[in-house]
Amino acid sequence: SQTIHQWPATLVQPVGSPLSLECTVEGTSNPNLYWYRQAAGRGLQLLFYSVGIGQISSEVPQNLSASRPQDRQFILSSKKLLLSDSGFYLCAWRERESYGYTFGSGTRLTVV
Amino acid sequence: EDQVTQSPEALRLQEGESSSLNCSYTVSGLRGLFWYRQDPGKGPEFLFTLYSAGEEKEKERLKATLTKKESFLHITAPKPEDSATYLCAVRRPGANNLFFGTGTRLTVIP
Repeated sequence: SQTIHQWPATLVQPVGSPLSLECTVEGTSNPNLYWYRQAAGRGLQLLFYSVGIGQISSEVPQNLSASRPQDRQFILSSKKLLLSDSGFYLCAWRERESYGYTFGSGTRLTVV
Repeated sequence: EDQVTQSPEALRLQEGESSSLNCSYTVSGLRGLFWYRQDPGKGPEFLFTLYSAGEEKEKERLKATLTKKESFLHITAPKPEDSATYLCAVRRPGANNLFFGTGTRLTVIP
């Protein structure tokens, strides 16, 4: 069966520090992968998506970047975190056209 | 501009008190409307996909319907375990992603 893993679950980082969040998918190949951010009281905002290894599309210019070094691995990074980067980060993959997304369990990032 | 608006923002129901959540959208050429359930601190969980006006889907106490302008999520005789935030999302033509509304936070009181 297909599963999605996302870690860590919570993270507290100082302003100016680097960030690396990892997401892996099991049980499928060549999935479409997505990074979303959810701020309090706001909808899910698409940050990046990838249709294959090394292929990254950015939806919102910002302090973050994404990479897909392997077929089932998607990484969200930052060189220097800002306070505004705080939020709930969700990785997702699209199993098939009619199913929408399957989401990971999320990472709660607090930048202090 | 494409928009997805969910109402109400929050809803409190007594256990057994049926109600409906609304998701209105302005998307030309809709390629699917999706409902998700999200528990606090967790990722959204897929519920339904609807594609065309008049379509309906059911799962336990939930029933989703779709018109050309909006979708409803009907909750019949809710239980406390139905308490969650319900998210609506649409797929636009040519888009590889889903566009989400801000959700309705449902609380069912025993």
